[in-house]
Amino acid sequence: DQQVKQNSPSLSVQEGRISILNCDYTNSMFDYFLWYKKYPAEGPTFLISISSIKDKNEDGRFTVFLNKSAKHLSLHIVPSQPGDSAVYFCAASLTGNQFYFGTGTSLTVIP
Amino acid sequence: DVKVTQSSRYLVKRTGEKVFLECVQDMDHENMFWYRQDPGLGLRLIYFSYDVKMKEKGDIPEGYSVSREKKERFSLILESASTNQTSMYLCASSLWLAGDGEQYFGPGTRLTVT
Repeated sequence: DQQVKQNSPSLSVQEGRISILNCDYTNSMFDYFLWYKKYPAEGPTFLISISSIKDKNEDGRFTVFLNKSAKHLSLHIVPSQPGDSAVYFCAASLTGNQFYFGTGTSLTVIP
Repeated sequence: DVKVTQSSRYLVKRTGEKVFLECVQDMDHENMFWYRQDPGLGLRLIYFSYDVKMKEKGDIPEGYSVSREKKERFSLILESASTNQTSMYLCASSLWLAGDGEQYFGPGTRLTVT
């Protein structure tokens, strides 16, 4: 059973607007959450992470929010740029040696 | 820059063949991982290794084995390939095993078993 779920397979956003990608998880023991970005024909690349003891982490245009009570996290990209068009994977870590990935959300930023 | 390379981008094999997928990283990372990526299932961990000659099973180890004889190289072996092993295989490495230890991925090998 999927422990990390991304229920939106795709998302389209106008350039300059906010992109919000969502992720839900089931295991309350996850200690870190990470977002990866994947371009076609390339491997995923790390974007941003958040510890389970925090509720927000920001890095430039990217902010991840964690709501532990709802077992939900989201990635906000502001402002969205065409180069952000990619597949975004949410991942959760269990003690650092097991990583669970979601199914990915394909983001298209329209110029 | 960390570089993770995989021996082949595309591979076509027949059912029953023994298949080797090779992965090499150049940043002296302790940890290496093999995942497979399937539509609707995301990335699933097959095996990982935290040191030379050490390995741990991931979520879906059945039908696979691994080898890590040198720190920089991690091989995934399909002992007898089957059609349900047709998939995209991704190798990754990381410096440490903490939860925030970001993983660096190779470009992937698209394996088709006919």
